[in-house]
Amino acid sequence: EVHLVDSGGALVQPGRSLRLSCAASGFRFGGYAMNWVRQAPGKGLEWVSSISGSGNNTYYAVSVKGRFTISRDNSKNTMYLQMSSLRAEDTAKYYCARSQGDAWLVDYWGQGTLVTVSS
Amino acid sequence: DIVMTQSPDSLAVSLGERATINCRSSQSLFYSSNNKNYLAWYQLKPGQPPKLLFSWASTRDFGVPDRFSASGSGTDFTLTISSLQAEDVAIYFCQQYFTTPRYTFGQGTKLEI
Repeated sequence: EVHLVDSGGALVQPGRSLRLSCAASGFRFGGYAMNWVRQAPGKGLEWVSSISGSGNNTYYAVSVKGRFTISRDNSKNTMYLQMSSLRAEDTAKYYCARSQGDAWLVDYWGQGTLVTVSS
Repeated sequence: DIVMTQSPDSLAVSLGERATINCRSSQSLFYSSNNKNYLAWYQLKPGQPPKLLFSWASTRDFGVPDRFSASGSGTDFTLTISSLQAEDVAIYFCQQYFTTPRYTFGQGTKLEI
């Protein structure tokens, strides 16, 4: 059974950094692209970043490019999101999600981890 | 970016009645080379991860009850629950993956009894 566990969310001050983790199990992790998607309070879902199965290709939303870095360790079945220069508008529940196939259809999601950026 | 717009924002339906949620994209999600629409539907319940209901606009995911159906092509799509059950209370999102991985989502439709 596919299982994704997001962790690392916390209350942080503006301008600080935070690293989120996504531990995967139940599938061959290195064979799948992975994503981070967030949902700010009272808002819809917003794609944040994606990484190919090998880790060689990464993609970012304009809103986080240059501040966030996505990475993965296939030997540990874990994906990361290093977030720096955090802003109040980064406050959201962050979900990791798996993509399948050539179209990178998002098929499984973690339960989410809450990041609150506030002084 | 492709803008996804859902309607309505919220919907109250009686148990056993039909619920219909619409999703419109700002450009066509139909890829003629493979005859597919790059549109997915998800269900989000409190405290649970989002759940994939449909891919390719109308392909029901494994385990999704057949009271759920989805249709549409190009820019207009619909999710229908034929006979609402209590466990269907959730927020429903459409998502385009035509510009994968730069996905965009509808704003969500809150479905209540």
